[in-house]
Amino acid sequence: AQSVAQPEDQVNVAEGNPLTVKCTYSVSGNPYLFWYVQYPNRGLQFLLKYITGDNLVKGSYGFEAEFNKSQTSFHLKKPSALVSDSALYFCAVRAPYSGAGSYQLTFGKGTKLSVIP
Amino acid sequence: NAGVTQTPKFQVLKTGQSMTLQCAQDMNHEYMSWYRQDPGMGLRLIHYSVGAGITDQGEVPNGYNVSRSTTEDFPLRLLSAAPSQTSVYFCASSPPGLAHNEQFFGPGTRLTVL
Repeated sequence: AQSVAQPEDQVNVAEGNPLTVKCTYSVSGNPYLFWYVQYPNRGLQFLLKYITGDNLVKGSYGFEAEFNKSQTSFHLKKPSALVSDSALYFCAVRAPYSGAGSYQLTFGKGTKLSVIP
Repeated sequence: NAGVTQTPKFQVLKTGQSMTLQCAQDMNHEYMSWYRQDPGMGLRLIHYSVGAGITDQGEVPNGYNVSRSTTEDFPLRLLSAAPSQTSVYFCASSPPGLAHNEQFFGPGTRLTVL
């Protein structure tokens, strides 16, 4: 079974400082990894994904994520945080396709990011 | 494109009542799914569909039914609502064929069962 762990319920960072939101995963085979963001009272929005290739993935709003196969991690990063980045962030994993059931996406519990002015 | 739409936005039910949460997408996506979001638990998959006429259970299917008669619509039915089903429900869809495609989420339905 596949799983995702986001070890921090909350991350606080000062505006202008770099931010990191951590994610580790467990899946059979090479994973497909995703980050989504949820603003208050909204649905989830896709930020970025790792499929294969370059371990550093760039996404929307200046976010990037680094895939580390040996550490089974996919941490979300941004060089300079904005107050508007404050939101709930979800990491998700999906196994390579091997039948209809493998379309299932497994989410972590989420990390609340607060950027302090 | 309207994307993924969900109705209603809010709903209050009494224990034992039934209702249907509506979900529609206009992107011709084959894959659609329903999640529930509870504090501290992330999103959990209820049911999903890989195309019209095909549905399957996710992680937490008990108390819910789905059907997929068209590509566009994927309603979620609560048969006899219970307080444990108080949650925020999200519908999502993905483009066809490839497991690495991202999902597009609707705005959610906030359900309270008294």
